Formats: sequence, C-alpha cells, structure tokens
Amino acid sequence: DTVMTQTPLSSPVTLGQPASISCRSSQSLVHSDGNTYLSWLQQRPGQPPRLLIYKISNRFSGVPDRFSGSGAGTDFTLKISRVEAEDVGVYYCMQATQFPWTFGQGTKVEIK
Amino acid sequence: QITLKESGPTLVKPTQTLTLTCTFSGFSLSTSGVGVGWIRQPPGKALEWLALIYWDDDKRYSPSLKSRLTISKDTSKNQVVLTMTNMDPVDTATYYCAHSIMTLVRGVIIFRGFDYWGQGTLVTVSS
Repeated sequence: DTVMTQTPLSSPVTLGQPASISCRSSQSLVHSDGNTYLSWLQQRPGQPPRLLIYKISNRFSGVPDRFSGSGAGTDFTLKISRVEAEDVGVYYCMQATQFPWTFGQGTKVEIK
Repeated sequence: QITLKESGPTLVKPTQTLTLTCTFSGFSLSTSGVGVGWIRQPPGKALEWLALIYWDDDKRYSPSLKSRLTISKDTSKNQVVLTMTNMDPVDTATYYCAHSIMTLVRGVIIFRGFDYWGQGTLVTVSS
C-alpha cells in the first residue's frame, strides 16, 4: 500500500494569514498514463469530506481560489493564501494512482 | 446534481454482518467510467478506503478487509450495497459512499478520485 504522510498534524493559523500542509507518499504517484492522481479534501466539523483539489493542482467546482495545490512525484503541498473562519477543519490528501487508494492522517487547521 | 445517501443499521452486534446501501441520483452506474466507493472514518480518526465498484462490475477491495467485504450494484435502483461480515467494535465508524468518474475530455483524462460524497451513516458495533 502507498502510505501518505501529512505534516503538520495541527496548524493553528491567524485569520488572514497563509497556511500550508505537506503530504508525502511512500512511492511515486505518477500513473502509467502520465497523470498524478493526488487530491486534497476538506472536512469541516460534523460534515462529510469535500473535494478541493484533484490531479495535484486543479480546483474542483466552487472551490475558492485561495486554495492551491502543487508538487510532483512524492511531495505535495496544499496552500491556503489567506485563512478564513470557514476554512477550519481537517484536511486530507488522498492518492488514487494505485489500489488501494489511501489517505493521509489528516491535518487540523484551527484559528489561533 | 449528484447526490448520494447511505442507509443501514445504526447498531450491530459483534460477529454480525453489516449491510449498507448507497442510494444515488444525478448519474448512472451504467455509464462508462463511473464508480461508487465506500470509505469509513472511526470517531476522531482518519478516513479509510474500503471498496469500489465500477460501471462494468469491476470491483476493488482494501487488502486488509477483502475477506470480509462484498460490494455489489443494482443499476436499475441506482444503489450500491456493501456487506461486511464478522463485525467487531473496532469497526465502529461513520461509513461514507462516494462517486468517482474517469472520462476523456478533448484528449485530457479527467479523474478526480472521489468528487461527491454522501453525508455518511454512523454504525456502532456493541453487544
């Protein structure tokens, strides 16, 4: 299985300030078709997960542009340019390059 | 508009078999490239991928749970069913179903993992 490791596990952020979450995979996420199927999900308190970013850097429909994704191979980053109150929650990276699909442990974003 | 909803028992006893149903709308599981998966989340813990079924009846399972899981679909009812045998208290979790699709648009593969999720259903395993 591909192990997904996120850092940090907790990120206290001041409103309006940036936040960054790292995700590292135990093996390359480049698929045989040349794409990298790394996505980021947000889970607000008491809510189901919601897709934010797919294929490393593509924002899903309705996702604000303050969210951005980058990376390649085994190292990936989710950035929030200016954290808003509604961004509080847990963020997960997920790989769908190979079965079984796997998730990171989650990073909790909270307001200082 | 794609929606999914999980249903099933909220409480099961140890050793029993859990049967969960995902009822969806806004897409068809007979459309090429479409899949529906199951994911679970123990209270306060991370997400865990369980199983996935595709439009062509291809099925994939978590290796660690494969012996206990069965996923099936009823295309006419827009439903996917997951059964998990020999339930244990450690299987207490919120169980989610989610939509997945892989399509080719103007030569570009569009694949987003799980793009739409149900609200989830909490299953407690206790005697």
